[in-house]
Amino acid sequence: QVQLQESGPGLVKPSETLSLNCTVSGGPINGYFWSWVRQPAGKGLEWIGRFFGTETINYNPSLKRRVTISLDASKNLLSLRLTSVTAADTAVYYCARDGERYFGLDVWGQGTSVTVSS
Amino acid sequence: DIEMTQSPVSLSASVGDRVTISCRASQNIDKSLNWYQQKPGKAPKLLMYGAYTLQSGVPSRFSGGGSGTDFTLTISSLQPEDFATYSCQQTYFIPWTFGQGTKVEIK
Repeated sequence: QVQLQESGPGLVKPSETLSLNCTVSGGPINGYFWSWVRQPAGKGLEWIGRFFGTETINYNPSLKRRVTISLDASKNLLSLRLTSVTAADTAVYYCARDGERYFGLDVWGQGTSVTVSS
Repeated sequence: DIEMTQSPVSLSASVGDRVTISCRASQNIDKSLNWYQQKPGKAPKLLMYGAYTLQSGVPSRFSGGGSGTDFTLTISSLQPEDFATYSCQQTYFIPWTFGQGTKVEIK
């Protein structure tokens, strides 16, 4: 059974870069889209972007200038990098797998809380 | 971006009630609509994809309908474990977008 586990710093200073990892275990990483989604406290979900294979990457245009998603299949590791963070980037960040039908996100990590504050 | 609007934002219901949540897309998304259930402090859980296909393991009291711009999620007989927030998501156009969520509370 596929499991996802996010990791990263819980606190990031404004203007710095947020880096998160997502470890994929119990199943193949190749052949699937892998997404990042975030959720500010008390608010709705926001799709950040996704990665597939070695070249296919889609980003939310609202974050495209600041975000990089990468995947290291040899380490079963999905990564998120968000530059120039502000308080508006404070959220719980989730990694998730895009399912094969209609890209429903069928496997999620437990989420990692990130606060942007000096 | 496609805007997803859910109604109501919250509702109060009793165990055994039939509950319907609506989701409207700002443009045609065919059947590319997914539903999620989220409990406090937990990750969302995929309930349904393609507007009306139940994800494996999801009870049959959940059903979905609609196509184009208007969609519904129905719980035929609300159970104690169903009190949660439900969100719709379109996967027709990138960026994928979510509704703001509908909180189902105990009456």
